[in-house]
Amino acid sequence: DIQMTQSPSSLSASVGDRVTITCRASQSISSYLNWYQQKPGKAPKLLIFAASSLQSGVPSRFRGSGSGTDFTLTISRLQPEDFATYYCQQSYNTPPTFGGGTKVEIK
Amino acid sequence: QVQLQESGPGLVKPSGTLSLTCAVSGGSISSSNWWSWVRQPPGKGLEWIGEIYHSGSTNYNPSLKSRVTISVDKSKNQFSLKLSSVTAADTAVYYCARRRGAGYEYYMDVWGKGTTVTVSS
Repeated sequence: DIQMTQSPSSLSASVGDRVTITCRASQSISSYLNWYQQKPGKAPKLLIFAASSLQSGVPSRFRGSGSGTDFTLTISRLQPEDFATYYCQQSYNTPPTFGGGTKVEIK
Repeated sequence: QVQLQESGPGLVKPSGTLSLTCAVSGGSISSSNWWSWVRQPPGKGLEWIGEIYHSGSTNYNPSLKSRVTISVDKSKNQFSLKLSSVTAADTAVYYCARRRGAGYEYYMDVWGKGTTVTVSS
């Protein structure tokens, strides 16, 4: 299986901050990388697919980038509704695998 | 728009079989999508269990393959998960999801709300 490693595992930030989350794959996955947001007690929500394509309805402050083994999710100006846990997921190999998550908390 | 709803027993005895169903509404299960199961143990991350196409083709996570069966019922517009020989380690929130895309470029864009299954005697 391809291992996905996210960093940091958690971070504290303030409303309006720029936040960057990193995801690293154990082997090259080209651009086959998705990002999800999950709030407590809720299902994951797709934010970004194919490394940089914004899912319909997702605010443009979310941006994904990267290819190969290294990827980033950037939230340009953190909003109160963005406090959540974020997961990356590769679709290059079966089984699809997720990173361990990054919890974004309020400072 | 497509909505998914999981249902099934919330409590399963150790060594028993976990059985869940995902009802698809607002769209046809026979559309060009795969239908997936994902689980999340309490306080932990996400694990893909497997998926099915309306033709009955399946893919399973090798770590669970010996215990998992996913099936589809096109007449009821739903698909199901069976996980046998369960232990406490199978306690989790179980989600069903629609997988869109093709080739390597695919993603899970519609999710059910999830259902909690506890394995305990």
